[in-house]
Amino acid sequence: DTEVTQTPKHLVMGMTNKKSLKCEQHMGHRAMYWYKQKAKKPPELMFVYSYEKLSINESVPSRFSPECPNSSLLNLHLHALQPEDSALYLCASSQGSGATEAFFGQGTRLTVV
Amino acid sequence: GQQLNQSPQSMFIQEGEDVSMNCTSSSIFNTWLWYKQEPGEGPVLLIALYKAGELTSNGRLTAQFGITRKDSFLNISASIPSDVGIYFCAGPRGAQKLVFGQGTRLTINP
Repeated sequence: DTEVTQTPKHLVMGMTNKKSLKCEQHMGHRAMYWYKQKAKKPPELMFVYSYEKLSINESVPSRFSPECPNSSLLNLHLHALQPEDSALYLCASSQGSGATEAFFGQGTRLTVV
Repeated sequence: GQQLNQSPQSMFIQEGEDVSMNCTSSSIFNTWLWYKQEPGEGPVLLIALYKAGELTSNGRLTAQFGITRKDSFLNISASIPSDVGIYFCAGPRGAQKLVFGQGTRLTINP
């Protein structure tokens, strides 16, 4: 199994809503990542979890709150988002914390209205 | 910082043609990764390179790790319609980060 599974695939939310994005991998990878991708741009790193601990936060606003319940799961909790937060949110995992050979999920297309 | 300059930004080719794209950096990289992204999907890892001078193939795709460790090339031979997408190079920046090139958008006319 070389898949990273993200749910939901699409999400529309209002600026006062609270929602969560979910990511799951069963490759035994110990590093998991959240990336944000705007149209026609490369992915931009948001958070890194290594061995279930948050190791990198790329100065992401607090309206994005990551959570790693166990080594296979990664969540991104969303609250009070702005329309400019609309983007494709990608989860990825890699075997260790060396960031090589990261495998990406299909992403969640988020629209904030 | 470690920036990756990817070129060309876009390519419009005929089916059956060969494709070449490259990625350069002002800094040395120890790993080069090439990804392909199709609309509405996440990037898919195509080839990983770990050693200067390494030449690796994956079907019709061939990638090379430049001798200077500051560049990498991706070639696609005999392009077919399903090759359409955006191709990204990427390399590690620090222990846990990947930095991406700006991407090469490939369009194929049948």
